[in-house]
Amino acid sequence: GIQVEQSPPDLILQEGANSTLRCNFSDSVNNLQWFHQNPWGQLINLFYIPSGTKQNGRLSATTVATERYSLLYISSSQTTDSGVYFCAVSFGNEKLTFGTGTRLTIIP
Amino acid sequence: DTGVSQDPRHKITKRGQNVTFRCDPISEHNRLYWYRQTLGQGPEFLTYFQNEAQLEKSRLLSDRFSAERPKGSFSTLEIQRTEQGDSAMYLCASSFLTGGVLPYFGPGTRLLVL
Repeated sequence: GIQVEQSPPDLILQEGANSTLRCNFSDSVNNLQWFHQNPWGQLINLFYIPSGTKQNGRLSATTVATERYSLLYISSSQTTDSGVYFCAVSFGNEKLTFGTGTRLTIIP
Repeated sequence: DTGVSQDPRHKITKRGQNVTFRCDPISEHNRLYWYRQTLGQGPEFLTYFQNEAQLEKSRLLSDRFSAERPKGSFSTLEIQRTEQGDSAMYLCASSFLTGGVLPYFGPGTRLLVL
């Protein structure tokens, strides 16, 4: 099956800093999503981005499908951005394969 | 409609007992998914339904696990003869169509097997 690797595994930043999270995947995909899991366990959709670039406020994402990676950018971090960020992919079916996540901690 | 709901939110049980979890999807969504998440890992796919039909099951779904979605509305996930390794967060998600319509996840049921 498809393998998904995320880096870095952990990231600690001061409030206001910018960050880049990376997702590498091992095979062609037609679905790539970024999620944020808050400290209470709730998974929140951030982006559906199988290719190209999207922006939503302080967050943006870029997927280069031909090179099998995606990047999530967070600018001007706030403490509410803390949590675990997951990349999930699929190809041709409904089953999302998740990476192991990047745990982001924003310090006031 | 306020999203996907799951019940209970937490469950503590003794090894060998049976447990059942319920998921109520967003009402117009015809697809429903179950995932399992263990500590420090990403969610892993268990199974999914389109309306009342169970279309795919992961090998993770052993014969002690059964999922149903009668009438294509809510779904239940039952675990028989629970084992300590079943301790995890069980997540439900629903969506309407593929092709860019994101699945919405519920808050999860956290299971602890003693």
